[in-house]
Amino acid sequence: NAGVTQTPKFRVLKTGQSMTLLCAQDMNHEYMYWYRQDPGMGLRLIHYSVGEGTTAKGEVPDGYNVSRLKKQNFLLGLESAAPSQTSVYFCASSYGPAGVQETQYFGPGTRLLVL
Amino acid sequence: GENVEQHPSTLSVQEGDSAVIKCTYSDSASNYFPWYKQELGKRPQLIIDIRSNVGEKKDQRIAVTLNKTAKHFSLHITETQPEDSAVYFCAASIWNYGGSQGNLIFGKGTKLSVKP
Repeated sequence: NAGVTQTPKFRVLKTGQSMTLLCAQDMNHEYMYWYRQDPGMGLRLIHYSVGEGTTAKGEVPDGYNVSRLKKQNFLLGLESAAPSQTSVYFCASSYGPAGVQETQYFGPGTRLLVL
Repeated sequence: GENVEQHPSTLSVQEGDSAVIKCTYSDSASNYFPWYKQELGKRPQLIIDIRSNVGEKKDQRIAVTLNKTAKHFSLHITETQPEDSAVYFCAASIWNYGGSQGNLIFGKGTKLSVKP
């Protein structure tokens, strides 16, 4: 039982390049999330999904797209990377919404540097 | 929308002392308040949480208190140990049947250092 995994662990991009971050969970969770973590800013929600085939915007969605084609996978895409997207990206998953006291389990993070 | 303020941003204590981290939230409808611990280079992990119908919850050396009237909640760590050194995040969430989705809004974090 691997929990939540993320690929890749680290990536360097040039401005304008595109990439996809992959999140996978083996806990049969319905809810999945993408956060970004910047120094002094805490964790901010980019996009989330409440089930296979669904996606929704979070606090900071601009410049990102997501897809949830399979229940266990949640992909985060950057179509044209900008230096402002340099950050650590965390994926998380849970059985249900946070408000019903459902623990969110986080992946190990992806460190992205955009030059 | 919901806004969560967390203080202090850094906290240094001697081993064995207590540490208190405070958070305030803006939306009185918030009803779930988890705390996450993130060690350096690691992922955030839930350490304790509380719902709005409970005033206090304890788990060994950690406790969380909630004051709904004042819209603030606090994390208390007693008998601190060097392994408690980490960044701690509070969060708030609103959820109701047929209503808000229940996403977490996080505070900006408190870096706790426990000196041996």
